[in-house]
Amino acid sequence: DVVMTQSPLSLPVTLGQPASISCRSSQTLVHSDGNTYLNWFQQRPGQSPRRLIYKVSNRDSGVPDRFSGSGSGTDFTLKISRVEAEDVGVYYCMQGTHWPLTFGGGTKVEIK
Amino acid sequence: EVQLVESGGGLVQPGGSLRLSCAASGFTFSTSGMNWVRQAPGKGLEWISYISRSGTIYYADSVKGRFTISRDNAMNSLYLQMNNLRDEDTAVYHCARGYCSSGSCLDYWGQGTLVTVSS
Repeated sequence: DVVMTQSPLSLPVTLGQPASISCRSSQTLVHSDGNTYLNWFQQRPGQSPRRLIYKVSNRDSGVPDRFSGSGSGTDFTLKISRVEAEDVGVYYCMQGTHWPLTFGGGTKVEIK
Repeated sequence: EVQLVESGGGLVQPGGSLRLSCAASGFTFSTSGMNWVRQAPGKGLEWISYISRSGTIYYADSVKGRFTISRDNAMNSLYLQMNNLRDEDTAVYHCARGYCSSGSCLDYWGQGTLVTVSS
């Protein structure tokens, strides 16, 4: 199975400051069709997960443009350009290239 | 508006069975792949099963041989039959839309239904 490793586990951030979350996979996430199926999800306290980013860098509808995804192969990053109070929660990366689908362990973003 | 509503959770003894349902609306269910994802209390997300629009099925090793995913396109419903339940199956179970080798991977989620396995 593909192991997804996120860091850091916890990320205290000052409001208005940037934040960055790393996600590494144990195998390349480049699919045989040439696409890379790496997704990012946000889970606010008490809520269901919500997809933010798909195929590495594509923002979902309604996702603020302060969120961006980048990376390739086995190394990926989610960036928040200026953290707002509503961004508090746990962020998960997830690979959709290989079965079984696997999630990273999560990164908890909190306000300092 | 896409809606996914899970039901069927509850308290069950170890070794028992439960059947979860997910009612879908707001999209063409029959042409969509569907998934079950669970989250144990205070833990992360774990994908457990997928069924394609044509019936291709995948399971996580943790549930293979005990859980069965199915769908009824006429009823716009997804199901998860869970047998031989264990303590470690205690979790909130979410249904989520999409085929993950595409742009629709887990793009909509239900609110989840809680399954508690305990004697």
